[in-house]
Amino acid sequence: KNEVEQSPQNLTAQEGEFITINCSYSVGISALHWLQQHPGGGIVSLFMLSSGKKKHGRLIATINIQEKHSSLHITASHPRDSAVYICAVKGWNTDKLIFGTGTRLQVFP
Amino acid sequence: EPEVTQTPSHQVTQMGQEVILRCVPISNHLYFYWYRQILGQKVEFLVSFYNNEISEKSEIFDDQFSVERPDGSNFTLKIRSTKLEDSAMYFCASSVPSGSVYEQYFGPGTRLTVT
Repeated sequence: KNEVEQSPQNLTAQEGEFITINCSYSVGISALHWLQQHPGGGIVSLFMLSSGKKKHGRLIATINIQEKHSSLHITASHPRDSAVYICAVKGWNTDKLIFGTGTRLQVFP
Repeated sequence: EPEVTQTPSHQVTQMGQEVILRCVPISNHLYFYWYRQILGQKVEFLVSFYNNEISEKSEIFDDQFSVERPDGSNFTLKIRSTKLEDSAMYFCASSVPSGSVYEQYFGPGTRLTVT
C-alpha cells in the first residue's frame, strides 16, 4: 500500500470550473507539500502545510491532521493550470519527502 | 527570486559510463537533496546532505551513487557505472530550516538517458 494516495489520478475540466484534488497519507507527518509538475518535467512548490489552510491566488490548500487528509482546490480554473499536481509528505525525524503518484489535470477552454 | 539550477538539462550516456549531474542550490540553504523520477512513475528520494555529509539515503542510493559539495556553491550526484535502469529525471532540491519545517525548493531537473 502506498503511503501517499491521491485522487483522482486524472481530471478534466472546463475553464472556470472549481477543481478539487485529494491526498490521503498513512504516516505521521511534520509537513505536507503540494507541488506542480509541467510537461517539461520541472517541479514547482505550491504550498507547504502543517495545519489549517493556505491560499495563494486561485489556489487553496487545506489539511486535516487527525484524518490524515489534504485537499488542493483551484478556483476559476484556466487552461494554464493544466499540469500534474503532486502531494508529498515529510515525516518526523527524516529528511525525505514521500511522494504521491500525482493527479493529471487538463483544463479545456 | 533565487532558484535552484541544474546542469545539464539532458544527458545521454552509454551503459557503464560515469556521469556527474550538477546542481547549484539557493545560496543561503543548508540542506541538499537528490530525487529521481523514472518515466511514468512517482518521484523517489535518493539522498539528503547536510554539513558536508550524507544525512539520510534510500535503498536506491547504493555504492554506484555518490554526492559531493566540492565548493561553496555546487552539489553533485555521481553515478559511477550507469545502467539502463538509471534512465530518469533527476531533481536537486535545497532547503533552509524555518522553525521545525524545511520547505524544499526544486531545480528544473536533468533528464538522464542511458543507452
